[in-house]
Amino acid sequence: DGGITQSPKYLFRKEGQNVTLSCEQNLNHDAMYWYRQDPGQGLRLIYYSQIVNDFQKGDIAEGYSVSREKKESFPLTVTSAQKNPTAFYLCASSPRDGTDTQYFGPGTRLTVL
Amino acid sequence: GQNIDQPTEMTATEGAIVQINCTYQTSGFNGLFWYQQHAGEAPTFLSYNVLDGLEEKGRFSSFLSRSKGYSYLLLKELQMKDSASYLCAVRDLTGNYKLSFGAGTTVTVRA
Repeated sequence: DGGITQSPKYLFRKEGQNVTLSCEQNLNHDAMYWYRQDPGQGLRLIYYSQIVNDFQKGDIAEGYSVSREKKESFPLTVTSAQKNPTAFYLCASSPRDGTDTQYFGPGTRLTVL
Repeated sequence: GQNIDQPTEMTATEGAIVQINCTYQTSGFNGLFWYQQHAGEAPTFLSYNVLDGLEEKGRFSSFLSRSKGYSYLLLKELQMKDSASYLCAVRDLTGNYKLSFGAGTTVTVRA
């Protein structure tokens, strides 16, 4: 089955710890995205990548980092510099670039205690 | 940037019709998307409009007026499983084709 997977579904971390969220896709999509979703707000773009070994900051990149070493994988690290990391994190991909429809993974709910 | 507005909540009865409006302001409009999101799950793609007019897909239709900065999603013959949040998203070519999302409209279908 082709799709986007994110793991884990739920993640708990202590304040001050870095944490890495996984996103994998086997759709052969070139572009991948990370969004954050908070109650009462629209999805906000954290980082995106249109090609391997290249990525750009989105609207709220501070306190986050990413890598794109493989086409299939786009992990997101939430660092201790992120002031309010508790949120629902969604990964998406699209076939080529921003001109294509984006398809979303199931999400990871991160809670920082 | 974009200002995307949609109502926070709507309630309707099973079998009825509901229309979810979305207004936007953008400098380089390049398409409008509707997604459905059940609580705690991934948004799933419903429709895409880039030209004015109505796009119909089964029980769901989406309309766009670029001159008015306005779209709506029409859900017909409502079913209980349609209870979800509906997200309006606008693509802007001046922002490297990034998507900007509205906060979502939570639709509750009652028996």
